[in-house]
Formats: sequence, structure tokens, C-alpha cells
Amino acid sequence: EVQLVDSGGGLVKPGRSLRLSCTGSGFTFGDSAVSWFRQAPGKGLEWVGYIRSKVYGGTTEYAASVKGRFSISRDDSKSIAYLQMDSLKTEDTAVYYCSRAPVAGSIVDYWGQGTLVTVSS
Amino acid sequence: EIVMTQSPATLSVSPGERATLSCRATESVISLAWYQQKPGQAPRLLIYDASTRATGVPARFSGSGSGREFTLTISSLQSEDFAIYYCQQYNNWPPYIFGQGTKLEIK
Repeated sequence: EVQLVDSGGGLVKPGRSLRLSCTGSGFTFGDSAVSWFRQAPGKGLEWVGYIRSKVYGGTTEYAASVKGRFSISRDDSKSIAYLQMDSLKTEDTAVYYCSRAPVAGSIVDYWGQGTLVTVSS
Repeated sequence: EIVMTQSPATLSVSPGERATLSCRATESVISLAWYQQKPGQAPRLLIYDASTRATGVPARFSGSGSGREFTLTISSLQSEDFAIYYCQQYNNWPPYIFGQGTKLEIK
């Protein structure tokens, strides 16, 4: 069974950093692209960024709203992807979901359960 | 950048009846998916490539459309179907753009 488990959320002050983790199981993690999405309270879904699989170079792309502040990395030996969030703003408050796709930008078929990040002083 | 607009924002339907949800794009979409989201849960993939049901999705869910106009139909609503539904375009740039969602509620 494919599973993705998000972790690392919490309360953080504006300007500080936080790192989220996404642990996969039940599939070959290294063969999949990993995307991060977020959902602000009571709002819709927003793509944050993705990391390609090593076969496609392991490179990353980001939404304009987070580019330069957030970065995604992966450790395929541990089946984990990370979302490093720096210079956090109050508007980054959201539930963050990791997900997987066969190829970056293609259909997202499985999602983690989400982890809440609250940015507040 | 493509904008996805879903209608209606809220749809009230009785159990056993049919529900029809719409999604319109500002330009032609290469690939379209539908997701279901229940309170406190992650989205669940229902339909991809506009009309292909994902694994384990009941046959009462069907998708149709192409170009700029797409439809999700639930033929006979069950109690577990009341949720928020999102359309999403993919295989394009930016890679994933969602509609604002349609809330399907019990009438």
C-alpha cells in the first residue's frame, strides 16, 4: 500500500525557519517526483514546488510565492523528501501536503495526510 | 497563466440524486484531474485525463470534457460523497492549477 507521511509542522514566528519531512512507503520512492502543496485555513489548494526523480536530474521548481525562500530536497536511501521553509511569513500559514507523481508535473496520485504550519508572533 | 473556475460554488443535492459539477479554464487544458476532499483529510484522486477513474473509485463517478470545459458527474449520491471537489490542470506550466472548489452538500 502506497503511503506518504508528512511531519514537522508547528508554530513558528515570522522570519524563522522550519523543515517538513515526507516519508514514503509501499512504492519505489526514488522513481517518483515529489510535490508539496499547501492549503490555507478555509481556502483552496496551492502548489508549492516539486523535486524531480534522479532519473530526471533531481532538479526542483517552485511557485513564485515561495521561490527564494523554500527549498525541496530528497534522500532516496531513506525514502524521505524535505521542504525547507525560510523567512516564513504569516501568509505561509497552511496545512502542507506532500504528494507523489510518476513524473514531475504529471498526475498526482497519492498525498500525505498533511501537517499544519502556523506562522504567528 | 491558466485560471480554473468551478461552478457552482455550492451544490445542494439529495442522496440518490445526480450531481453535475463544472470546471472551466481560461485556455485549453492539456490534462485535467478531479479530486475529492473531506474535512480534515488530504485530497483523493478521483479522475485523471479528464475521464479515467483512479484505482478504487466507484463507477458512479464519471468525468467528461476537453479543451476548456469539463464536467464531473456523480450518478447517484451516497452519504460519503458529500465533500469538496477540486478540478486541477496538469502537464503544463505552472504545473498544477486548481479550481476554487465546489462544495457538495446534503439537501
